[in-house]
Parts: sequence; structure tokens; C-alpha cells
Amino acid sequence: AQTVTQSQPEMSVQEAETVTLSCTYDTSESDYYLFWYKQPPSRQMILVIRQEAYKQQNATENRFSVNFQKAAKSFSLKISDSQLGDAAMYFCAYRRISTGNQFYFGTGTSLTVIP
Amino acid sequence: ETGVTQSPTHLIKTRGQQVTLRCSSQSGHNTVSWYQQALGQGPQFIFQYYREEENGRGNFPPRFSGLQFPNYSSELNVNALELDDSALYLCASSQGTAYGYTFGSGTRLTVV
Repeated sequence: AQTVTQSQPEMSVQEAETVTLSCTYDTSESDYYLFWYKQPPSRQMILVIRQEAYKQQNATENRFSVNFQKAAKSFSLKISDSQLGDAAMYFCAYRRISTGNQFYFGTGTSLTVIP
Repeated sequence: ETGVTQSPTHLIKTRGQQVTLRCSSQSGHNTVSWYQQALGQGPQFIFQYYREEENGRGNFPPRFSGLQFPNYSSELNVNALELDDSALYLCASSQGTAYGYTFGSGTRLTVV
């Protein structure tokens, strides 16, 4: 079974600084998707960034980037130039490409941005 | 482009009752998934519908059931409510299972 582990329940960062959120996962599949979702108090899950496992190049979206280590089954999120609006719960998620393509989510990391 | 709309936003039910939660998919989306997010946890997959047929189910008992309608809106029904059913229920829709999903803001269900 697929499992996703986020070992940091809470993290904090000074505004304008950089923070890295950790995620590891377990799978026997060779091809899959990995995601980081943000869940602010509004409760809606908002896609931050997505990585296809077959791509060696790490995904980047503006201030957000990932460090994808396939062999180590590690998928960390780096947020650069942190802003107050980045404060939220962040969930790492895995999804198979083959049948049964539901999301498997980690338990989340609560990010606080300090002004 | 409309997003995913869920109703109601909050709901309080008594143990043993039945509840129906509703989800209006984003325009053009034919796939809908439902997730249960207990307090302090990540969302857990309940089931998924594609063109009105269930095409995936997580580890939830049969008292959790669903429907998808011809307009691709969806319902989640839970019978014989238990205290542990208290959670945020999220709906997510997609153009198809290979595409990205858009999440709604959820329904907060409290069972007392």
C-alpha cells in the first residue's frame, strides 16, 4: 500500500526567508505523480506544485520548487522569499498513474510565517 | 470557469442519523472523488465516480455510498452516523482520471 509521511507537524519561517518541508513516500510503482497541496483556513486544497516521477528535472513554480529524489523516495518542497500568505497546512500527496488513481495524503505540515 | 461547490458548509447530526452531502463539479469535469479529512489528519479517499459509475473505493464501510448525476454533480450519503464520522468531507472533480483535480472547500460534519 502507498504511504506518505510528513515528519514535521509544524514549521515556522521568517518573512522573506526560505523554508523546506519534508516528505517521504513508499511505493512499488515506477511511475506516479507527486504533489504538494496547500490548505489555508478556507479549507480548500490548492495545488502548489506537481512532479511526474518519470521526469528527472525538479518541478518549479515561481517561489516554489521541489527536490525529488526517486531512489530515496523523498519529495521536499522549498518555499523561497516566504510571504505571509504562504501560512497554511501543506500536504504532500502521491497518486498512481495506473488504475486506482486516488490521492494518498500525508498528515500535513502547519507552516507559520513570522512577520 | 466555476469551481467545485459543496453544500452545506457545516452540518450537525445525531449519532444514528443519515446525512447527504452535495458537490457541484467544475464545469466540464466528468470525474468526482470524495475524501474524509479527520481533524489533524490528511484526507482519506472514500470513492470516485466517472461518468456516473463508481470506479474506485477506499477502505470505508458500505454505509458510505454515493451517486453521480448526468450533469456530473454528486452526492455522498452516510447512514447510521457514528461519532468518528465527524470530519471535513472534501469533493474533488476532474476532466478525467488522468488530469488534475480541483477541490471544493468541504463540508464540516459534526456528529453528536
